[in-house]
Amino acid sequence: GAGVSQSPSNKVTEKGKDVELRCDPISGHTALYWYRQSLGQGLEFLIYFQGNSAPDKSGLPSDRFSAERTGGSVSTLTIQRTQQEDSAVYLCASSLVWVRGETQYFGPGTRLLVL
Amino acid sequence: AQSVSQHNHHVILSEAASLELGCNYSYGGTVNLFWYVQYPGQHLQLLLKYFSGDPLVKGIKGFEAEFIKSKFSFNLRKPSVQWSDTAEYFCASWRGTDSWGKLQFGAGTQVVVTP
Repeated sequence: GAGVSQSPSNKVTEKGKDVELRCDPISGHTALYWYRQSLGQGLEFLIYFQGNSAPDKSGLPSDRFSAERTGGSVSTLTIQRTQQEDSAVYLCASSLVWVRGETQYFGPGTRLLVL
Repeated sequence: AQSVSQHNHHVILSEAASLELGCNYSYGGTVNLFWYVQYPGQHLQLLLKYFSGDPLVKGIKGFEAEFIKSKFSFNLRKPSVQWSDTAEYFCASWRGTDSWGKLQFGAGTQVVVTP
């Protein structure tokens, strides 16, 4: 039905705390992507999933970042021991399949602020 | 390493003026290029994309882009802008092969159209 949804829309946390960001892709989309958009920066690719599998995790900024996808649907991005430099908008996107050039549909993002 | 560069960070123009936003990519292999737009308060959405064939690509809302391989460019154009074209525009390039890859985005161009 609807497009990609993300929750929460905004998250304020204290440095050192863990946060979980959730993404619900468009129903039937097998590929899912996470990006980060920092102030004044473009979109930085973090990770993608084909089904439940993440073939390339090299885009994750540090080992404090992890992501999983279960049931080929919902995905969570977890940031452990958050730092102030983690403050950004985290965007999720999905596409029908994972093929070169496939159109990605983006969610509204989660705005994370680490104090 | 591949990169996508957008020439202007901010553009201000009047309604009915013509718009051209520059985008250059550095990857020399198979190229898939995209322009995404983010209207105020809305999700990122695809404007147009180049996959193969005709280098002049037409997208939604009267936008078009021309792929010039010799110049590694994919500039976005619109002959006559409207106030509703106020948005942030992102150029992106697919980096990879058929078996792995990711979208690499430029830093974005903020376009403001004044009445």
